[in-house]
Amino acid sequence: SAVISQKPSRDICQRGTSLTIQCQVDSQVTMMFWYRQQPGQSLTLIATANQGSEATYESGFVIDKFPISRPNLTFSTLTVSNMSPEDSSIYLCSVYSGTSGYEQYFGPGTRLTVT
Amino acid sequence: SQQGEEDPQALSIQEGENATMNCSYKTSINNLQWYRQNSGRGLVHLILIRSNEREKHSGRLRVTLDTSKKSSSLLITASRAADTASYFCATDGGDAGGTSYGKLTFGQGTILTVHP
Repeated sequence: SAVISQKPSRDICQRGTSLTIQCQVDSQVTMMFWYRQQPGQSLTLIATANQGSEATYESGFVIDKFPISRPNLTFSTLTVSNMSPEDSSIYLCSVYSGTSGYEQYFGPGTRLTVT
Repeated sequence: SQQGEEDPQALSIQEGENATMNCSYKTSINNLQWYRQNSGRGLVHLILIRSNEREKHSGRLRVTLDTSKKSSSLLITASRAADTASYFCATDGGDAGGTSYGKLTFGQGTILTVHP
């Protein structure tokens, strides 16, 4: 399975500021996904990031708030812009890997607290 | 909206006992995956079962899938204190090249506590 790292692992930010989260994969992958997990909740897909094209956002998420870059097949960034306390969550990236091609593996997550 | 519903929301058992968690979903799926999450950290992939499979085993894990009832169950046998975690099911509704490909929909999760 793919090995996925994220930076930073955690951060505490002030409202109104922005944070960029990095996701690095140890192999080339076509599709990368960004999820959010609010406190005590399950995971929700934010967007799908394909190399060479604009990210596709899910309902309730917009590019101005969560701009995504995908400069190559092993790297992606998610920016959380103009943060408010409601953005306090764990943000996780994921990729397809595994023998069947359908297993989705997740990075360790970035725990964001907005004060 | 979340597609999956899991029950129970919380499960407390003794070491050595079996733990069963259930997941229900609403629409057709390509596959269903189970994950473990320890203390709000990253998700660990446990097992994937495809829509044309009915049962799958991996070590102490046994997963069943009933597409007619749109439900799945995860059984952990001979549980250990280290199995204490949150467990999530996630459905993947798409085939490669389709618009839903890779978009996992997660259930609300079951918090499992295994007492030594």
